[in-house]
This record gives sequence, structure tokens and C-alpha cells, in this order.
Amino acid sequence: DAGVTQSPTHLIKTRGQQVTLRCSPKSGHDTVSWYQQALGQGPQFIFQYYEEEERQRGNFPDRFSGHQFPNYSSELNVNALLLGDSALYLCASSQIRQGYEQYFGPGTRLTVT
Amino acid sequence: AQSVTQPDIHITVSEGASLELRCNYSYGATPYLFWYVQSPGQGLQLLLKYFSGDTLVQGIKGFEAEFKRSQSSFNLRKPSVHWSDAAEYFCAVGVENNAGNMLTFGGGTRLMVKP
Repeated sequence: DAGVTQSPTHLIKTRGQQVTLRCSPKSGHDTVSWYQQALGQGPQFIFQYYEEEERQRGNFPDRFSGHQFPNYSSELNVNALLLGDSALYLCASSQIRQGYEQYFGPGTRLTVT
Repeated sequence: AQSVTQPDIHITVSEGASLELRCNYSYGATPYLFWYVQSPGQGLQLLLKYFSGDTLVQGIKGFEAEFKRSQSSFNLRKPSVHWSDAAEYFCAVGVENNAGNMLTFGGGTRLMVKP
């Protein structure tokens, strides 16, 4: 049983560019959450998707957007990249009835130069 | 809004010694509480969780944690540390509402194990 998978593993972008990160949830899970983890800090909640809709959003600007597909996989898009967007982006999946049992993927390391 | 504080940024213990990592939370009601571990270059692995009931919870890898409402704490313990326990540990709190299940994390404690 595959766990949460994320792609790509690493990514280098230039300021002002746009990036798309991808996440496939654990089998049987229908909810996907995204977190940003800056170096030396704890993860910060970006948003959560369920039934292809954004269910909850953290304190992140509109440059951060997402999408959930019918197969429950998800994308995180970041526009107009800033140096401060450099971080590890973690995807977590769960079942809606057990929303706090979140299983994390290995993350995508984004570096903005 | 809820918050989580992990007062110790770094902790070093000798292999075989006992371990306690501190976690304090701020929230008006009883929260859902979690401990995660993160090894270098990897995602987060859930060690244990507290939702309700017995305030002493057992987790994987020999870890346990105790919820103390009066102290707003959820400290992680292990009686005998192994070198493989060296990692970053995060405490998190979840708040139930109809909108979602976001987790709020502390800043983490980096554990180093001396041989």
C-alpha cells in the first residue's frame, strides 16, 4: 500500500516564476492538506481540500492556490515566487471522518533564487 | 487562535538515558494533541495522538506522552533512548471545527544522541 507521494522531490525556481507541486494521497484517503515548512521551523498550514473544494485556509496570500482532482490527488500552485517561498512543502492526507489522522508525504524542497 | 510552544530547541542525551520533550499549547477547550518525528530529508511520521480518555498515551517506537490539562502540556517521554531516535520532534494541536482539520505545529525540538 503506497503512502503519500509527492513530486517533484526538489525544485529550483527564479523569483517571479510560477510553480506547481503534486501530491497523491494514501489509498483510501479523500482529504489533502498542504503545509509549508521553512528551514528550522515547524510546518505551517496552507490549506485543505475535500471533495475538490478548499475547505480551510491558513494565513497565506492568494499567490498560493490549489486544486483537488476526482481521484483525490492534489496540486499546490504558487505564483510570483518570492525568495521567502523557499521551503519544504508537505502534503498530508486523511479520511474526512478521521481528519486529524494525517499522514505526511516526504515533501518537495523548493528553492527560489 | 491556538498555539504550540516547544521550549527546547535542542536537546542532547546519552544513549540509554531517559528523554522528556516539552510541549505547551494554548487553546480554550480540550484540543487534539499529536507528536510527530521528522528525520533529515523526510516527511513527518506520527508517533502518538491524544483525543480523549486516558491522559497517558502510548505510541510507536516506545514513546509515550501525558496530557496534563492543568498545565496545558503534552510532554513526550521515552525511558531509554536509542541512537536511531536522533531526529526533529514536533508537537501539534488540532482544533475541531466544521471548517477543517488544520494542525498547528510547534517550532520543533532537535534531539541529538551521544554514544
